[in-house]
Amino acid sequence: GQNIDQPTEMTATEGAIVQINCTYQTSGFNGLFWYQQHAGEAPTFLSYNVLDGLEEKGRFSSFLSRSKGYSYLLLKELQMKDSASYLCAVLDSNYQLIWGAGTKLIIKP
Amino acid sequence: ETGVTQTPRHLVMGMTNKKSLKCEQHLGHNAMYWYKQSAKKPLELMFVYSLEERVENNSVPSRFSPECPNSSHLFLHLHTLQPEDSALYLCASSQGVRGSYNEQFFGPGTRLTVL
Repeated sequence: GQNIDQPTEMTATEGAIVQINCTYQTSGFNGLFWYQQHAGEAPTFLSYNVLDGLEEKGRFSSFLSRSKGYSYLLLKELQMKDSASYLCAVLDSNYQLIWGAGTKLIIKP
Repeated sequence: ETGVTQTPRHLVMGMTNKKSLKCEQHLGHNAMYWYKQSAKKPLELMFVYSLEERVENNSVPSRFSPECPNSSHLFLHLHTLQPEDSALYLCASSQGVRGSYNEQFFGPGTRLTVL
């Protein structure tokens, strides 16, 4: 079966750095997406990785290792507004997105 | 209107009612999706339409019936629902289904409660 694993909840301090991991087992791979979802709101796109390596976009970076079935989202200089759920999703061989359950990130002052 | 809009935002219905959810995208996209989001569970893909043709029906119960009259509009018709169908129903659209074209833009969702 297809499976996406990510931690249920993480806590970090304002101004710090946090890494949210995602491991996957899917039928085929056509890229990995990270989305941010604030409570009561719709998910919004953060990043897309299809090749191995690190993609940096401002305070957020996303890493992919296809051989290990592994990705992480790195958030730097954390702000209170970064408190949200972070969803990992893999595009499988049928071009369908397989979603993880999300990691709820709590930022403390 | 910009982005992806959904109506209604909240819906309470009895198990014998018939209702419809509406989604409209103003982004010129070619693919549209219906998702179900329940607490602490992954997003469940219900239906995908690409260029107005349904690509996949992921074994969704027949009490959910999609309709895509054109590339900008998507409906989800509901009838004889069960209490376990209570959830947030999200609509999304994307330029396409392959690779980075699958970056999906979501509407605000319809919070559905079945009594």
